[in-house]
Amino acid sequence: KQEVTQIPAALSVPEGENLVLNCSFTDSAIYNLQWFRQDPGKGLTSLLLIQSSQREQTSGRLNASLDKSSGRSTLYIAASQPGDSATYLCAAYSGGGADGLTFGKGTHLIIQP
Amino acid sequence: GAVVSQHPSRVICKSGTSVKIECRSLDFQATTMFWYRQFPKQSLMLMATSNEGSKATYEQGVEKDKFLINHASLTLSTLTVTSAHPEDSSFYICSVLQGASYGYTFGSGTRLTVV
Repeated sequence: KQEVTQIPAALSVPEGENLVLNCSFTDSAIYNLQWFRQDPGKGLTSLLLIQSSQREQTSGRLNASLDKSSGRSTLYIAASQPGDSATYLCAAYSGGGADGLTFGKGTHLIIQP
Repeated sequence: GAVVSQHPSRVICKSGTSVKIECRSLDFQATTMFWYRQFPKQSLMLMATSNEGSKATYEQGVEKDKFLINHASLTLSTLTVTSAHPEDSSFYICSVLQGASYGYTFGSGTRLTVV
């Protein structure tokens, strides 16, 4: 059974810093890995989707990498801003519908103004 | 990716009443939609898979008679929490999968409070 772990569980940094959020998964047989952002009391917003054949995806100040062989993904946020404060979730998809989607518990990020 | 609309965003109901939550796929015909539940500071837990024109598939431990799912069209799935109790208070989120190439798209969630 797939297990997804996110480290750290919480992170607080001053505005302007670059930071890395980590996600690891136990079963490398995945179709893709998706990073989401969740604001308090809100749904999930998809940030980046990395297919199993890809090594990274970029969107603005966000860069996500994927190393299937080692079961790791990272989300890099450049020049952090207070508006980046949220919970970031990674989810590994192993196929077969939503029961093939395994979430980590998330990293709660606070960017201090 | 797909656009998913979920309503209501917040609902407060009295214990013993039923509440219906709607999930609409606005630009994608979804034969399958998924319903999740999220407890405070926890990740999402899959409750059930909603199948258009057929019965939903429930995860182990989820009471199908309590959480009624209807997926009558390719763009609408509804989750009805029947005879709600305070322990049903939670955050409910729906999602659709537009194929492995596009990943999952989630609704904005519904905060249910049963008093």
